[in-house]
Amino acid sequence: DVKVTQSSRYLVKRTGEKVFLECVQDMDHENMFWYRQDPGLGLRLIYFSYDVKMKEKGDIPEGYSVSREKKERFSLILESASTNQTSMYLCASSRRKAFFGQGTRLTVV
Amino acid sequence: TQLLEQSPQFLSIQEGENLTVYCNSSSVFSSLQWYRQEPGEGPVLLVTVVTGGEVKKLKRLTFQFGDARKDSSLHITAAQPGDTGLYLCAGDGGATNKLIFGTGTLLAVQP
Repeated sequence: DVKVTQSSRYLVKRTGEKVFLECVQDMDHENMFWYRQDPGLGLRLIYFSYDVKMKEKGDIPEGYSVSREKKERFSLILESASTNQTSMYLCASSRRKAFFGQGTRLTVV
Repeated sequence: TQLLEQSPQFLSIQEGENLTVYCNSSSVFSSLQWYRQEPGEGPVLLVTVVTGGEVKKLKRLTFQFGDARKDSSLHITAAQPGDTGLYLCAGDGGATNKLIFGTGTLLAVQP
């Protein structure tokens, strides 16, 4: 079975902290994505990567960075967390169809 | 920027009713996918449509891709409480393999 695993289901961080969200896939997919999901706004693409060490900005990259050192792992980094980054974060990997992790609900206080 | 708009945003119906959800864009997509998401979980792929005019059926769910590959619809016949969830369409831009998601339709089916 296809599997995309996000490191945490729930996280609470303080304003200004550096936050790492990890995502691992076992399908040998080239493409990996980070989205955030907010009520009424749908899924908005933060960053995506189409190969190791390659990354592209999505629609809302401000305040985020990413790292893809290995094919199976795509990390989202919040350099200095702010309250407006409180959200549900979803990781996905795809070749043509996207498979999602279970999501990380991040609260920044 | 490619955008996908879904309508309606919210739908509350009784068990046994039929419904249609729409996904519209001014952009052409090489394929379009439909996902269902339950609370606290990530979206799960239901179907992919690729050819303009294509119709796919998944039990009581019928998916159609518009002839111009800019829009799609999801029709549910005789809705069941188990159909409750957030339905998302997503377009594949093609060259970049970037998936663009619609805003979602939240469906509640009352028993």
